[in-house]
Formats: sequence, C-alpha cells, structure tokens
Amino acid sequence: NAGVTQTPKFQVLKTGQSMTLQCAQDMNHNSMYWYRQDPGMGLRLIYYSASEGTTDKGEVPNGYNVSRLNKREFSLRLESAAPSQTSVYFCASSELDGTDTQYFGPGTRLTVL
Amino acid sequence: AQSVSQHNHHVILSEAASLELGCNYSYGGTVNLFWYVQYPGQHLQLLLKYFSGDPLVKGIKGFEAEFIKSKFSFNLRKPSVQWSDTAEYFCAVRRGGGFKTIFGAGTRLFVKA
Repeated sequence: NAGVTQTPKFQVLKTGQSMTLQCAQDMNHNSMYWYRQDPGMGLRLIYYSASEGTTDKGEVPNGYNVSRLNKREFSLRLESAAPSQTSVYFCASSELDGTDTQYFGPGTRLTVL
Repeated sequence: AQSVSQHNHHVILSEAASLELGCNYSYGGTVNLFWYVQYPGQHLQLLLKYFSGDPLVKGIKGFEAEFIKSKFSFNLRKPSVQWSDTAEYFCAVRRGGGFKTIFGAGTRLFVKA
C-alpha cells in the first residue's frame, strides 16, 4: 500500500495564479482532510470530507475549495493564490467516523510570490 | 473556541535524559487525545492516542502519556530519550465523535548524542 500520496511535492506560484493539489489514499478510508502547517502554528484544518460526497469547512477555509472526487481522491484548489497561502499542505485520511488515527501524506510545499 | 497549548516550542536534551512535553486543551466535554510525531523528512505519524479507559496510555518507541481530566492535560513522557527521538511532536484534540482535530503548535525536540 502506498498509503496517502500527494502531488506535487513542491510548487511556486505567482500571486493570482490558480492550482490544484491532489491527494489520494489506498486504505479505503471514509474520511479525508486537508491541513496547512505554518511555523509556530501547528496544523490547521482547511476542509474535510467525512465521507464520499460530503465536504465541510475547517478552521481556515477562506481562499480554498475542495472536491471529493471519489472515495480515494480529495483535491484542494487555490483559485487565486496569495502570499498568505505560502505554507506546507498536508492531506490525511482516517477510517469510519473520524475517531481513529489519521494517516498523513508527505506534504506539498507551496510558495506564492 | 477549542484550543490546544503546547508549553515548549523547543527542547534540547542529552541522550538518556527524561522527557516530558506538556499539552493542555480548552474543551470541557468528551475528547479524543493524540500525540503525533514528525521525524525529519518523514510524514506525521501517530505516537499514541487516548479515547477512554486507563488514563495512562502507552505508545510506540517507549513513549507514554497521561490524561488528567481535571487539569485538561495530556502530557507526553519518555524515561530515557535517544538521538533518534529528535523530531517535532504535536498534541491534538478532537471532540468525541467529531471530525475536526485541533493541533497544538508543536514542540521541536533535539537530542544531543
């Protein structure tokens, strides 16, 4: 099993450009999550999908959209990137009702100039 | 709003020293508690978790944590650290049955050989 995979690993954008971060898991998990990690602030939840077909906002959803394409895939889109979105983005997945362990991907390091 | 506080942002220890990392949270209801670790260049992974039962929880690599409900705390301990424990440690809290996990800001541990 590959676990949770993310693409790309690194990305540099100019202000105003758009991009989509891809995430896939092969563990048949119901729930998937997107976080951003910033120095001194830990991980903050952007959006989550409790199950296929549903998505909900987390702590910091502004400037982002998500799509739960199917049970395996959960993408994060930046429509108009801003320097404040420079961060490391992590995707995670978990089983059942969300009380179980989250499994994290390797992260995407995004820089917005 | 629910919050998680980790008291130390940076800790430096010598090998064989004892470790205790503090974690306090603000939510008063039923909680699920986690400690995650991120070794240099690796994914975040679960160290240990508490859902119910014995408040002293044992995890991987000799780590343990104690849930003290009256103090809203979930401190991480290890009797004797090794150089390989150098990593960033995150405390995380989730309301029982919920999906949103709140992470602390993290503690960077450096163990001198």
